[in-house]
Amino acid sequence: SQTIHQWPATLVQPVGSPLSLECTVEGTSNPNLYWYRQAAGRGLQLLFYSVGIGQISSEVPQNLSASRPQDRQFILSSKKLLLSDSGFYLCAWRAGGPVNEQFFGPGTRLTVL
Amino acid sequence: QQQVKQSPQSLIVQKGGISIINCAYENTAFDYFPWYQQFPGKGPALLIAIRPDVSEKKEGRFTISFNKSAKQFSLHIMDSQPGDSATYFCAASIENYGGSQGNLIFGKGTKLSVKP
Repeated sequence: SQTIHQWPATLVQPVGSPLSLECTVEGTSNPNLYWYRQAAGRGLQLLFYSVGIGQISSEVPQNLSASRPQDRQFILSSKKLLLSDSGFYLCAWRAGGPVNEQFFGPGTRLTVL
Repeated sequence: QQQVKQSPQSLIVQKGGISIINCAYENTAFDYFPWYQQFPGKGPALLIAIRPDVSEKKEGRFTISFNKSAKQFSLHIMDSQPGDSATYFCAASIENYGGSQGNLIFGKGTKLSVKP
């Protein structure tokens, strides 16, 4: 069966510090991978998605970047965090191809102080 | 045309009652409509999904009703329980395409509170 992991679970970082959040998926190959951000009590904002290694599409301009160095690894980064980067970051995957069932990870709660 | 509009924003239901959440879409090419359930501090979990070849799908106390002509679909939670208290998201996508066209478009969510 497939499993998606995210770490860390929580993170408190000062403004201006770098960021690296990691997501890995087990039990599938060549998945589509997604990063979402969810502000407190708000909806899901798609940040990045990837259909393959090294292929990253950005949905919104921002202070963040994403990379996919391996088939089942997706990394969200920032060189300098802003207060507005605080939120709940969710990684998700779906199988490549026509079936659109999408599954979310447990999330990372990021607080920028 | 890519939006999915969800209502209400919040909903309070008594234990044992029926919770109804509605979503509307514009893009007639959408052919996959899932619902997600999210508890505080957790990632959303796929609850139930429907494709437009049927008008209703039921799984336990959860039912999706789909009206293709009205471009609307809804989630009904029968015999609502306090444990159902969560945020619910509807979504839509075009299932037979890869790339961005297959990406889910989410509604803004409904916070459901079931009172004991």
